[in-house]
Amino acid sequence: QVQLQESGPGLVKPSETLSLTCGVSGYSITTGYYWGWIRQPPGKGLEWIGMMYHSGNTYYNPSLRSRVAISFDTSKNHFSLRLTSVTATDTAVYFCARQTPPGKVTNLIDYWGRGTLVVVSS
Amino acid sequence: QSVLTQPPSTSGTPGQRVTISCSGSSSDIGINTVSWYQQLPGTAPKLLIYSNNQRPSGVPARFSGSKSGTSASLAISGLQSEDEADYYCATWDDSLSGNWVFGGGTKLTVV
Repeated sequence: QVQLQESGPGLVKPSETLSLTCGVSGYSITTGYYWGWIRQPPGKGLEWIGMMYHSGNTYYNPSLRSRVAISFDTSKNHFSLRLTSVTATDTAVYFCARQTPPGKVTNLIDYWGRGTLVVVSS
Repeated sequence: QSVLTQPPSTSGTPGQRVTISCSGSSSDIGINTVSWYQQLPGTAPKLLIYSNNQRPSGVPARFSGSKSGTSASLAISGLQSEDEADYYCATWDDSLSGNWVFGGGTKLTVV
C-alpha cells in the first residue's frame, strides 16, 4: 500500500521560503515514477507545481519555475518542496503525489497525500 | 485561469446520467491521454479515470470517460448521493518544456 504524508510549517511569513516534505511508505521513490507537488488555494481548483524523477530530471509549472525547487532524499525515501519569496497568493493546501512519466499513452496521478494547509501571513 | 475548460457546476437527480466536459487544445488533450479525479469535500483528489477511458481497480463501472479531438468527457450513470463532489480533468501539456494541466473543476450536486 503506497502512502504519502506531507509535513512542514503551517504558517509562513511573506517574502520567506515555504518548505514541505513528503514521506513515502510502501514504495521506493527511486523506482519508475515521478514524485511531485500540487496545490489548491482555499475554495479554488488544483494547480500543478512540479515533479521530479530520481535521476534528477524535473518538470515545473512555467508560472512558478523561478521560485520552485523539488529535491529527493533517497536514504529517507522522501522528497521536498521549496517555494521562495512567498506571498498571500501562495496560501493553499499542498498535496504531494506520485505521477507517471510524461507520455502519450498513460498520464495519471495515482497516489496523493492528504494535503497540508500552508498560510502565508505576517 | 485554468488551461483546460470545464463547466463550473452541474446537477442531477439520483439514478440520472450526467456528463462533464473538458476542453483543451492541440498541445494537451489533442495529443495526450486524459485522466479524471474526484474530490470529496475536505479530502485529497482520487484517480477516477485514466488513459481517457480506463478505470482503476475499485472504481464503479458507473463512471466512464471518453475523448475526441481536443475534448474529453466524464459520464456518471445511475447517479448516487455519494457522487456529490468536485471533478477535475487533467493531462500533460507538451507546450514550452512540458507540464501537467488541470481543468478548473466541476461541482456536481445531487439534488
